[in-house]
Amino acid sequence: AQKITQTQPGMFVQEKEAVTLDCTYDTSDPSYGLFWYKQPSSGEMIFLIYQGSYDQQNATEGRYSLNFQKARKSANLVISASQLGDSAMYFCAMRDFQGAQKLVFGQGTRLTINP
Amino acid sequence: DVKVTQSSRYLVKRTGEKVFLECVQDMDHENMFWYRQDPGLGLRLIYFSYDVKMKEKGDIPEGYSVSREKKERFSLILESASTNQTSMYLCASRKYTGTGGTDTQYFGPGTRLTVL
Repeated sequence: AQKITQTQPGMFVQEKEAVTLDCTYDTSDPSYGLFWYKQPSSGEMIFLIYQGSYDQQNATEGRYSLNFQKARKSANLVISASQLGDSAMYFCAMRDFQGAQKLVFGQGTRLTINP
Repeated sequence: DVKVTQSSRYLVKRTGEKVFLECVQDMDHENMFWYRQDPGLGLRLIYFSYDVKMKEKGDIPEGYSVSREKKERFSLILESASTNQTSMYLCASRKYTGTGGTDTQYFGPGTRLTVL
């Protein structure tokens, strides 16, 4: 079964600094997808970035980039030039290719940006 | 932009009541999902639907049922609400454009359900 591990329950970062949120995964499926979502206190789960297992380059979306290291089974999210509005819970997720194509989520990292 | 809406942001119900949670997406997506989110347990899949009138159980279907009569609408039903169903409920809709293309689940704003 797929598993996502986020080892940082909480992180505190100064505004404008870059931040890396860790994510490791475990799967026996050669084809998979990795996602990062942001969940502010309002509760909505906001899609940030996607990386396919066969993608040759790391995914980027604006200030977000995904540092994909396939051999290490890691998919860390990098946020450049952090802003106060980046304070939220961040979830790493993997797409399950069996059955429902559901997402398997990690436990999340609570990121706090300090002014 | 993909838009997924849920009928209520906050809901308070009594034990034993029948509860309907509605989810609507406006992008003609075939796959839709219902998750619940609880502290320490993360997000867990309750039910999903491949298409109209097609549904499959997820990891925790007990106490729930679903309905998908139209492509854009996926309803979660709590037949007889219980206090252990107090949770955050998140609906998602999957955009898939084929192998090598887009494959992303977009979520609604969530419904915080409290069962007293």
